[in-house]
Amino acid sequence: GNSVTQMEGPVTLSEEAFLTINCTYTATGYPSLFWYVQYPGEGLQLLLKATKADDKGSNKGFEATYRKETTSFHLEKGSVQVSDSAVYFCALTETSGSRLTFGEGTQLTVNP
Amino acid sequence: NAGVTQTPKFQVLKTGQSMTLQCAQDMNHEYMSWYRQDPGMGLRLIHYSVGAGITDQGEVPNGYNVSRSTTEDFPLRLLSAAPSQTSVYFCASKQAGEKTGELFFGEGSRLTVL
Repeated sequence: GNSVTQMEGPVTLSEEAFLTINCTYTATGYPSLFWYVQYPGEGLQLLLKATKADDKGSNKGFEATYRKETTSFHLEKGSVQVSDSAVYFCALTETSGSRLTFGEGTQLTVNP
Repeated sequence: NAGVTQTPKFQVLKTGQSMTLQCAQDMNHEYMSWYRQDPGMGLRLIHYSVGAGITDQGEVPNGYNVSRSTTEDFPLRLLSAAPSQTSVYFCASKQAGEKTGELFFGEGSRLTVL
């Protein structure tokens, strides 16, 4: 079956540091890949997505590239802010789009 | 903008009790789903529905029932609560047929089973 593995957390950074959160996946066919973010006390919201190999998703300074050869979709941001503190989830959906499979989530804390 | 509304936000049950978590959306989304969120395990799909009258099982359906009588509502029923069902539950919706469409989440319902 499909699965998503994220780097172990939590991650603690200082403001303006570079962020990378690793995500690798196992899937049959051609999945679409997503990053969702969960701020404290809220539900998840879509951060960015990529629908085919070599696509780059980007939003709010975050980027991730769909790498089929390494089955990865790592999240990056060049300069994090305190307001980026949240839990980040990597996810994929299979051909029909009816089932979204999530990774375990990575807690990010950014200190001033 | 209401979006996806879940009630209650918090609930404490005793083992063996039953309850229903309510979910309503006002975006005319055909697809609705329920996830549970547990530490270190991410979100796991319980049940989903692609339209009124149609439901299907997700990854962890045991102990939960759902029905979809209207487009707007998708309640999740726990027939006989167990401590293993202590979790945070999220309802989510999107347009059906859009494989890459954004899932819109409610704020969650925290359930504790004693």
